[in-house]
Amino acid sequence: KQEVTQIPAALSVPEGENLVLNCSFTDSAIYNLQWFRQDPGKGLTSLLLIQSSQREQTSGRLNASLDKSSGRSTLYIAASQPGDSATYLCAPGGRLTFGSGTQLTVLP
Amino acid sequence: GAVVSQHPSRVICKSGTSVKIECRSLDFQATTMFWYRQFPKQSLMLMATSNEGSKATYEQGVEKDKFLINHASLTLSTLTVTSAHPEDSSFYICSALPGTLDQPQHFGDGTRLSIL
Repeated sequence: KQEVTQIPAALSVPEGENLVLNCSFTDSAIYNLQWFRQDPGKGLTSLLLIQSSQREQTSGRLNASLDKSSGRSTLYIAASQPGDSATYLCAPGGRLTFGSGTQLTVLP
Repeated sequence: GAVVSQHPSRVICKSGTSVKIECRSLDFQATTMFWYRQFPKQSLMLMATSNEGSKATYEQGVEKDKFLINHASLTLSTLTVTSAHPEDSSFYICSALPGTLDQPQHFGDGTRLSIL
């Protein structure tokens, strides 16, 4: 059974900082890994999808890496902004298993 | 593109009522749809996987008679919470997969269910 751990559980940073969110998973037999953000009381917004054959994906200020053999993924957020405040979830899949998330607060 | 519409967004009803939640893929056909449940301050837990025209596959611990899933077409799946009780109150989210498991899942905006 896939188990997903996200570290840290919560993070508070001043605006402008670069930061890294970590995700580890136990079963490396995955098709892909998705990163999502969830605002309070809302659904999921897909941020990045990394296929199992890829090492990283970039979208704007976001960069996600994947090391499938070691069961790790990181989400790098450059020049953080208050609008980035949300809970970030990683989910290795196809059949997605979600981590418990990192609650990010970016202070103005 | 790849829009998934989930309806209703919020429902409040009395204990004993059955509640139906719809999940529609608006601009693509979904071979598979997934239903998740999220308790406050917790992550999403997969409840069941549904494929068009076949019975849903439920995760361990999920009561299939309590949570009825129907995937009648390639664009519509429904989750019916039967005889709902306060402990069924939760945030329910669906996702739709346009093809094979290596493709991204597209999520609805969720349904907040409150049982009084």
